[in-house]
Amino acid sequence: SQTIHQWPATLVQPVGSPLSLECTVEGTSNPNLYWYRQAAGRGLQLLFYSVGIGQISSEVPQNLSASRPQDRQFILSSKKLLLSDSGFYLCAWSLRLAGGKNTGELFFGEGSRLTVL
Amino acid sequence: TQLLEQSPQFLSIQEGENLTVYCNSSSVFSSLQWYRQEPGEGPVLLVTVVTGGEVKKLKRLTFQFGDARKDSSLHITAAQPGDTGLYLCAGPPIAGNNRKLIWGLGTSLAVNP
Repeated sequence: SQTIHQWPATLVQPVGSPLSLECTVEGTSNPNLYWYRQAAGRGLQLLFYSVGIGQISSEVPQNLSASRPQDRQFILSSKKLLLSDSGFYLCAWSLRLAGGKNTGELFFGEGSRLTVL
Repeated sequence: TQLLEQSPQFLSIQEGENLTVYCNSSSVFSSLQWYRQEPGEGPVLLVTVVTGGEVKKLKRLTFQFGDARKDSSLHITAAQPGDTGLYLCAGPPIAGNNRKLIWGLGTSLAVNP
C-alpha cells in the first residue's frame, strides 16, 4: 500500500532563518506531488506541484521554493522566512495515469505546522 | 474564477441528528471529491463522484453529484462525535488543468455527545 510521510510535524523558526520541509512517498512510482498551505484550518492553497524529477510548477509568487531530487521525494524550502510564511503545510500525491492525466484524488501527509516568530 | 462554495461554514449538532452539507459551483466539474480533515492532520479522501446524478454511500454518509455536475451534497445520518471535523469538497474543473484542484473552504462540523 502507498504511504506518504512529511516532517517535521512542528517547527518554530525566527524571521530570516532558512526552512526545509521534506516529504516522501512509498509504494507508488511516478506520482504527481504537491505542496499546499492551509490557513486557519480552512481553505487549501496550492503552492507547487511536480509531475516528475526536477519538474516544478509554482502557483503563486512567494518566498518559498520546491525541489524534487528523486521520484518520490519533494522538498519545500526557503532561504529567509517571513512572518507571513507561518501556516500549516501539506504534502500530497496523486496517481499519474497514462497520458499524464490523473483522477485528481489526493493523498495527504500528516502536515507540518510552521510558526515564524 | 472557478469557485466551489460550501455551506454551511459551521455546523454544531447533537449526536443522533441528521445533517446535509453542500458544495456548489457555477462551473462544471469532471468529478468532485469529499475529504474530511481532523485538527492538526491532513485531509483524508472519503469519496469521489464522477457521473452526473451519481449517489454513493459510505456507511452513514451519502454523497450525491448534481445532474449538471456543478454541485454535490453530503448527508450524514445519525451523526456521531467521530464525524466531527472539517469537510472539504474539491474537484478538477472540466475545462482546465486536472492536476490543479479547485477547493471549497469547508464545512466545520461539531457533533456533541
